[in-house]
Amino acid sequence: QQPVQSPQAVILREGEDAVINCSSSKALYSVHWYRQKHGEAPVFLMILLKGGEQKGHDKISASFNEKKQQSSLYLTASQLSYSGTYFCGTEPSTGNQFYFGTGTSLTVIP
Amino acid sequence: IAGITQAPTSQILAAGRRMTLRCTQDMRHNAMYWYRQDLGLGLRLIHYSNTAGTTGKGEVPDGYSVSRANTDDFPLTLASAVPSQTSVYFCASSDKSSTGSSYNEQFFGPGTRLTVL
Repeated sequence: QQPVQSPQAVILREGEDAVINCSSSKALYSVHWYRQKHGEAPVFLMILLKGGEQKGHDKISASFNEKKQQSSLYLTASQLSYSGTYFCGTEPSTGNQFYFGTGTSLTVIP
Repeated sequence: IAGITQAPTSQILAAGRRMTLRCTQDMRHNAMYWYRQDLGLGLRLIHYSNTAGTTGKGEVPDGYSVSRANTDDFPLTLASAVPSQTSVYFCASSDKSSTGSSYNEQFFGPGTRLTVL
């Protein structure tokens, strides 16, 4: 039930781009993205709903392929503040459950 | 209070003892959640409540119970703690009405670090 994220870890230089992928084996109603910095709570980035609706913060973009149950988070022109662990969260179409992936560690270096 | 708070911040507990983790939010969110976070496993849903008076089981509910007597509070109880319940526990809340998702933008508390010896 837990979605699979890739890559597990990535190191970027400031200004570089990154893509984080999330894949589920279940049909999904929504996909969520969160970022967690070390020792802190997760912080919401974006929600993508079946049917195309999206809600999130500026400067963050993501896609949701409903047929493949896959989502990707796009981080462009990365900044030092982007460092942290990124989690996707999936809400299956049935069952009223929510599953987080195991996370992708992103480190941005000067 | 601003947002969502949890208490205690950390706790060391002897196995077999009873423990209640407290969670309070002042955002009038209808939905609340408890997660545990373990290294390498990410966050896993323990229990949820879609509205005051109702609760449901998440992915890993065994050994835990919850209650939702009012909108603001959502305590998590470990009836008889075991070492495998050593973890960081996060409470979260969301306003279900702003999208069609049952799990809208979730606001997380600062977490409780629990060690069971």
